[in-house]
Amino acid sequence: SQQGEEDPQALSIQEGENATMNCSYKTSINNLQWYRQNSGRGLVHLILIRSNEREKHSGRLRVTLDTSKKSSSLLITASRAADTASYFCATPAGGTSYGKLTFGQGTILTVHP
Amino acid sequence: GAGVSQTPSNKVTEKGKYVELRCDPISGHTALYWYRQSLGQGPEFLIYFQGTGAADDSGLPNDRFFAVRPEGSVSTLKIQRTERGDSAMYLCASSLYRGTNTGELFFGEGSRLTVL
Repeated sequence: SQQGEEDPQALSIQEGENATMNCSYKTSINNLQWYRQNSGRGLVHLILIRSNEREKHSGRLRVTLDTSKKSSSLLITASRAADTASYFCATPAGGTSYGKLTFGQGTILTVHP
Repeated sequence: GAGVSQTPSNKVTEKGKYVELRCDPISGHTALYWYRQSLGQGPEFLIYFQGTGAADDSGLPNDRFFAVRPEGSVSTLKIQRTERGDSAMYLCASSLYRGTNTGELFFGEGSRLTVL
């Protein structure tokens, strides 16, 4: 299986609820990124967390990283219908230090108004 | 420009034809990447340019795929003798610095390629 696997594959919630998505990876990393993709569009960077960070916040987003478990989670608080999108975690591939990223299959989030 | 621009946004071609996809990165970004995304999957790395040179082309699936960036700005992904399996979204991204530790990738809206 590939590096950066998200779970769940799909998540359906009501507006105002929190959404939590998880990502697991296999090899050591120096950072992990989360991206968002609206249907049929390009990816938008959300947040980057470094291996020496355990938690990071950006607006309604909270990302955690547990390097001992090789896992990360993305929490979106007080979700809105506009948060409906696919969310991907991405890790540097093969120890590279440039933008060669390995993406998971993503979590499809649907937020109902 | 303000963002990464990709053209065409949609391309429908017949099996065996030649296709070119163009990417215009954010001005001043020295690093440029091509990714391919099949339906329901995450993007897969194809090639990375630092300046004019292809620093890592390990993701190109076979020799029908080729990419250039002659002046260190615009890049063209070229696919020869297209096959139905080449149908996918082709995404271009750029970044200001070489390393991911210094920031994120900025993606374009993609070129949707359909091979009939």
